[in-house]
Amino acid sequence: DAGVIQSPRHEVTEMGQEVTLRCKPISGHNSLFWYRQTMMRGLELLIYFNNNVPIDDSGMPEDRFSAKMPNASFSTLKIQPSEPRDSAVYFCASSLRREGGNEQFFGPGTRLTVL
Amino acid sequence: GNSVTQMEGPVTLSEEAFLTINCTYTATGYPSLFWYVQYPGEGLQLLLKATKADDKGSNKGFEATYRKETTSFHLEKGSVQVSDSAVYFCALFSGGYNKLIFGAGTRLAVHP
Repeated sequence: DAGVIQSPRHEVTEMGQEVTLRCKPISGHNSLFWYRQTMMRGLELLIYFNNNVPIDDSGMPEDRFSAKMPNASFSTLKIQPSEPRDSAVYFCASSLRREGGNEQFFGPGTRLTVL
Repeated sequence: GNSVTQMEGPVTLSEEAFLTINCTYTATGYPSLFWYVQYPGEGLQLLLKATKADDKGSNKGFEATYRKETTSFHLEKGSVQVSDSAVYFCALFSGGYNKLIFGAGTRLAVHP
């Protein structure tokens, strides 16, 4: 079974441009998470969805960031307009909500560089 | 609120040395506890977990015991290898919020 799929793996763009990151969770999983990782701030949870509904977006840094999950097999994270400080590795993770704790399965990440 | 505190890194060891990475947590109730590992250039992956007090999680020679009395979940390995070089994250799941709370991560570097 394929794991969490993210695209693109690398993205280089110029300041002011729109960036869209994509994620396909593991089939059957009902929770999806977007994280950002940088050297300075470590791993940050940006937003997560349960059953395609956004539950907590308190980690989204500002209005330039938006995330959608139109169906159970696809999610996007958009940055518009992008800024150099958005440069980071963005991870998508999915899990199956159940008792005893959720193992989250992480994708390989998208390395974003904003020039 | 819920939180996880890990020892700061980097931790630098020689091959075959004993490893301990400390992790303590603050949470209400009885959270499940996890260790995740991130190898260079990859996403995080589950290393081991424990779901109740006194449980011991183990995998790939790593172990961690859920200690409720000290609110700790320290990661140990008796003999590290160069291939264990990675960043290790302690995390807790508190059920009600359906999300993991991660520690800051501890970088481990193992030299031959």
